[in-house]
Amino acid sequence: EAQVTQNPRYLITVTGKKLTVTCSQNMNHEYMSWYRQDPGLGLRQIYYSMNVEVTDKGDVPEGYKVSRKEKRNFPLILESPSPNQTSLYFCASTRGGNLNYGYTFGSGTRLTVV
Amino acid sequence: AQSVTQPDIHITVSEGASLELRCNYSYGATPYLFWYVQSPGQGLQLLLKYFSGDTLVQGIKGFEAEFKRSQSSFNLRKPSVHWSDAAEYFCAVGAFTDKLIFGTGTRLQVFP
Repeated sequence: EAQVTQNPRYLITVTGKKLTVTCSQNMNHEYMSWYRQDPGLGLRQIYYSMNVEVTDKGDVPEGYKVSRKEKRNFPLILESPSPNQTSLYFCASTRGGNLNYGYTFGSGTRLTVV
Repeated sequence: AQSVTQPDIHITVSEGASLELRCNYSYGATPYLFWYVQSPGQGLQLLLKYFSGDTLVQGIKGFEAEFKRSQSSFNLRKPSVHWSDAAEYFCAVGAFTDKLIFGTGTRLQVFP
């Protein structure tokens, strides 16, 4: 089944403790992206990647890092999480950055930073 | 500036009633337009999309949307709502290789 898989689904952590949210897709998509969803703000792009070893900032990149060493994986790294990063995170992918196909989304990761 | 506006934060309808969710956009280039649905605890699922051609597009689950260039709108409609349609709906706009810009969402509640 074609899908985007995120782990974990739920995570509670403490301020300053480094964490990684994994994202993997099995569709051989070139383009991958991370969004955060907050009430009243919709989805905002954090980082995106056009292909392996090619990443760029989205609208709200502060406090986050990403890497794209393999085509299928696009982990989101919070090196020193803070409470304002408490949010619902989505990973998404699409073919070759071509929006003709829309995005395929993962099921989300709900992160709470205390 | 590029933006998407969904003016209705929350809509409540009775089961069997018709539905229209509004979406207005501001975008410099010819836009690609999308509607996504998010059921509780789930990711976003693509309902329908518009790139060109017929301005009335059909999607999954009986939804349709109409692109009106003169009004910069892409409203989502359904003739008869089912209880399972209760969810949050997001309108999004983008260009060929650009990111998707999302609206803030409309939460739909359906009463029996």
